[in-house]
Formats: sequence, structure tokens, C-alpha cells
Amino acid sequence: KAGVTQTPRYLIKTRGQQVTLSCSPISGHRSVSWYQQTPGQGLQFLFEYFSETQRNKGNFPGRFSGRQFSNSRSEMNVSTLELGDSALYLCASSSSQLADYEQYFGPGTRLTVT
Amino acid sequence: GESVGLHLPTLSVQEGDNSIINCAYSNSASDYFIWYKQESGKGPQFIIDIRSNMDKRQGQRVTVLLNKTVKHLSLQIAATQPGDSAVYFCAEIPNTDKLIFGTGTRLQVFP
Repeated sequence: KAGVTQTPRYLIKTRGQQVTLSCSPISGHRSVSWYQQTPGQGLQFLFEYFSETQRNKGNFPGRFSGRQFSNSRSEMNVSTLELGDSALYLCASSSSQLADYEQYFGPGTRLTVT
Repeated sequence: GESVGLHLPTLSVQEGDNSIINCAYSNSASDYFIWYKQESGKGPQFIIDIRSNMDKRQGQRVTVLLNKTVKHLSLQIAATQPGDSAVYFCAEIPNTDKLIFGTGTRLQVFP
């Protein structure tokens, strides 16, 4: 069974631009969660999607948004990029909602904002 | 490889020794805890979990201990191997159902 895949793996953007990251969960998994990982703040929860609906949301500004498609693939979008948005963005999937707990993480997308 | 944290506490152990990684959690309402391992260039990998109605759970070479009185979690790795070198995160799930990660500990295993 293929693992969680994220594209692209690396991305360089400039301030003010917007970016869209993609995540394909493990086949059959319906829950997708997104996290931001930085050296200063560690791993922080962004949001979780289950069956195309956002189930939970972390404490991030509205510039961070996401969606999930009927095939469970998910995208997250960051608009008006700031230098502080430079981070590793991780996606994780699980078979049901977060309560399933055993999440499988993808390798992440490294975003650098210059 | 990817750098997951520049200012993480580091535990250095010799190959074959036992490792103990500690974590203090914040929410007394948390009822589920998970340990993850993150190797350079990879996403976190599930190691072991424990529910709040337990104080100990064992896996293959790993044991998690939970002390709810002092809100402390530990991960014990027996006979540590070079392949265990990674950053280890504890995570708690309070009733909000959001995973809250600890800051992480870097484990370095020397031959």
C-alpha cells in the first residue's frame, strides 16, 4: 500500500505570493490533517479534513486554508506569504477521523519564502 | 537532510544502552498520548501509544510510561541501535481532538 505523498517536496516563493500544497492520503483513508513544522515552534496543527469537511482547526490566520476532494486528496493554500511561513508542511492521514489516532505522515513539503 | 529543530534537547547514548526520553504534557484532560519518531528528511512515524487509563504499555523494544499525577510521559528504548537516531516527539490529544506535539528530543546513538 502506498504511503502518504506530498507534492511538491520543495518550493521557493517570494513574500506576497500564494502557494498551494497537495497531499494524497493512503488509499482508503478519509481523514487528512495538516501541520506546520518550524525550528522555533515545533509541530503545530493547522487543520483536519474528513469527508471533504473541515473537522478541526488550529490557531493560524485566515491566510491558511485547505480543502479536501471527494477522493480524499487534500490541498492547503497559503495566501500573501510572509517570511515566517517558511517551514516544513506535513500532511497526515488516518482511516477515520482524528480519533483513530494512528496517523501516517508524508515526507512534507519544504516551503522557503524569500 | 531536513532539520526538524535547531534547539532541541539532545540525548546521547551508546549503542546497546537503554534510552529514556521524557515529555511533560500540558492538558490534564488529555486522554490519549502518542510517541513519534522523525528521521531526517522524513515525516513523523508512529511508535507507540497509550490511553490515560493505563500507566504502562510495551511494544517491541519500546515502553511508554504515563504518570498522570505529574503529567509526565516517557519513552524507553531498550538496547538502543544506530537506527534509533532521530528526533522523538510526544503528542497528546485532549478532548478537542487536536494532536498537540511536544518540542521533541534528539536522540544520538554512538557506536
